[in-house]
Amino acid sequence: AVQLVESGGGLVQPKESLKISCAASGFTFSNAAMYWVRQAPGKGLEWVARIRTKPNNYATYYADSVKGRFTISRDDSKSMVYLQMDNLKTEDTAMYYCTANIGDYWGQGVMVTVSS
Amino acid sequence: DIVMTQGVLPNPVPSGESASITCRSSKSLVYKDGKTYLNWFLQRPGQSPQLLTYWMSTRASGVSDRFSGSGSGTYFTLKISRVRAEDAGVYYCQQVREYPWTFGGGTKLELK
Repeated sequence: AVQLVESGGGLVQPKESLKISCAASGFTFSNAAMYWVRQAPGKGLEWVARIRTKPNNYATYYADSVKGRFTISRDDSKSMVYLQMDNLKTEDTAMYYCTANIGDYWGQGVMVTVSS
Repeated sequence: DIVMTQGVLPNPVPSGESASITCRSSKSLVYKDGKTYLNWFLQRPGQSPQLLTYWMSTRASGVSDRFSGSGSGTYFTLKISRVRAEDAGVYYCQQVREYPWTFGGGTKLELK
């Protein structure tokens, strides 16, 4: 069965950094583009970042709200995708979901809280 | 950036009736390959989103044929036939025509 399991969330202060991870299994990870979506408490979905596959040069794309602060990466040998979040702001507080391809598969989400 | 605007449903919807959810994009979502890059998701309370349709009208694997997507280049509809209790939740449209990808604000479906 397909599984996406996020980890690494928590409480951080503004301007700090945090790296969240997503472990994938049950499908050919190296063939799947991966992306992150977040959802602030009580709000809608916001697309955050996407990373393509090796044949597509691991191209990356970002939402305007996180460009220059967040970095998406992947390790095909470990079937992992990461989101490095720097210079965090209170408005980055959200549940972060890992998802594959066009949104076929989703993890259960990991909570990131940015507060002083 | 492409702005996605979703309509509001006249809730609650009686079980067994049909419901149509609308979504409008600020730019055509038709790509040069002829496909329309519009996805629909359902997020049930307390759960992760679930993909319902992609390319505007292609149902995702395992999705009931009660869900059908249609539309033009900038105006889209997700129709749910014979609404059931498990259809309750928030529906989101998403454009994947160009970066940054964007979601609509969501449309809540409540059942009577």
